[in-house]
Amino acid sequence: KNEVEQSPQNLTAQEGEFITINCSYSVGISALHWLQQHPGGGIVSLFMLSSGKKKHGRLIATINIQEKHSSLHITASHPRDSAVYICAVNSGSRLTFGEGTQLTVNP
Amino acid sequence: SAVISQKPSRDICQRGTSLTIQCQVDSQVTMMFWYRQQPGQSLTLIATANQGSEATYESGFVIDKFPISRPNLTFSTLTVSNMSPEDSSIYLCSVREGLIFEQFFGPGTRLTVL
Repeated sequence: KNEVEQSPQNLTAQEGEFITINCSYSVGISALHWLQQHPGGGIVSLFMLSSGKKKHGRLIATINIQEKHSSLHITASHPRDSAVYICAVNSGSRLTFGEGTQLTVNP
Repeated sequence: SAVISQKPSRDICQRGTSLTIQCQVDSQVTMMFWYRQQPGQSLTLIATANQGSEATYESGFVIDKFPISRPNLTFSTLTVSNMSPEDSSIYLCSVREGLIFEQFFGPGTRLTVL
């Protein structure tokens, strides 16, 4: 079993839909990251969380430390949101990555 | 946030040759990392680049295959030596200021080995 698991692996949505990507982890962490990877390969850091909730534009990230679970929400999705979304956790000095969720938003 | 550039952005190489990837950061950072992302896989840490000393390699990665330099706090190189098709991956440079600070990633180098 992976230390960081994401669901779903693949997600297709219509433009405008509300999207949720989930991340569960099994280790003690100091922080959780949500990353976005576009087809070219480059990775952008979206959020770093250690508790509660953060919002940036149409993106919202939440974390429940007791349940070891985090969610990334995208409101009013757009085709430009199409990318791979990766959950990663800091456990000690190490960053452990989930397998990623491939999101495709159709116009 | 740190801005990271990598060169080259992509390359196609022949089996048995070597490629050096450069990573430049726009500010001094304490921690620099090199990751590999094989097709369809998540990121795997190759090594932590240490300024002025030998890199710290993860299990399964060795210095002879992936020599790393870090001459200062803003620059590092990763060489992929004696390449084979199995080395075809995206190689990413990443930086972090401390144990729990935000981590930033470069644009990646997409390597194809024929």
